[in-house]
Amino acid sequence: GQQLNQSPQSMFIQEGEDVSMNCTSSSIFNTWLWYKQDPGEGPVLLIALYKAGELTSNGRLTAQFGITRKDSFLNISASIPSDVGIYFCAGPRSQGNLIFGKGTKLSVKP
Amino acid sequence: DAGVIQSPRHEVTEMGQEVTLRCKPISGHDYLFWYRQTMMRGLELLIYFNNNVPIDDSGMPEDRFSAKMPNASFSTLKIQPSEPRDSAVYFCASSQDRWDYNSPLHFGNGTRLTVT
Repeated sequence: GQQLNQSPQSMFIQEGEDVSMNCTSSSIFNTWLWYKQDPGEGPVLLIALYKAGELTSNGRLTAQFGITRKDSFLNISASIPSDVGIYFCAGPRSQGNLIFGKGTKLSVKP
Repeated sequence: DAGVIQSPRHEVTEMGQEVTLRCKPISGHDYLFWYRQTMMRGLELLIYFNNNVPIDDSGMPEDRFSAKMPNASFSTLKIQPSEPRDSAVYFCASSQDRWDYNSPLHFGNGTRLTVT
């Protein structure tokens, strides 16, 4: 079935560093979504990508839709303590609802 | 807008007991989703409703799980009997349309279930 593989599973970085994480699939996706989950809360949508090769920014966040449509990456520049959380990629299944990767857990040391 | 409201926030129960999780979606949202989050399996879709009708329940683990949506403003997820392996965080989410950036999934804050 369709699966999304995220890497790395976890990251420990120093405040101010840039972060890069990615998401891959053996299946083609027509949309890639990136969500963030703060501790004790539900995931919140950060960025949506609809077109192969598309590069989209939201503040310090930048995400790209891979040209093969089988991958996407998310970059965070100049990380701050509130960037801590779990970052999920998601895409629509053939049945129409969303599937999520297992997430990348980000820890930021002040 | 109060967002998606889930209750309780935490539930601790003994194996064999019935557990009922509750969700109030955002008003006007036609889709409601129940997800389960564990370390091993991440976020898994259990079931989703459109206009109160269950559309896809293929993610429901087994017959011990059932979900209902008696009206547009309320849904329940019931586990009977509960087992320790059901321990997880259960999220309810709603959206205006099935999914879209213009109609993103809005998640509640989840119910952390612990079955001892």
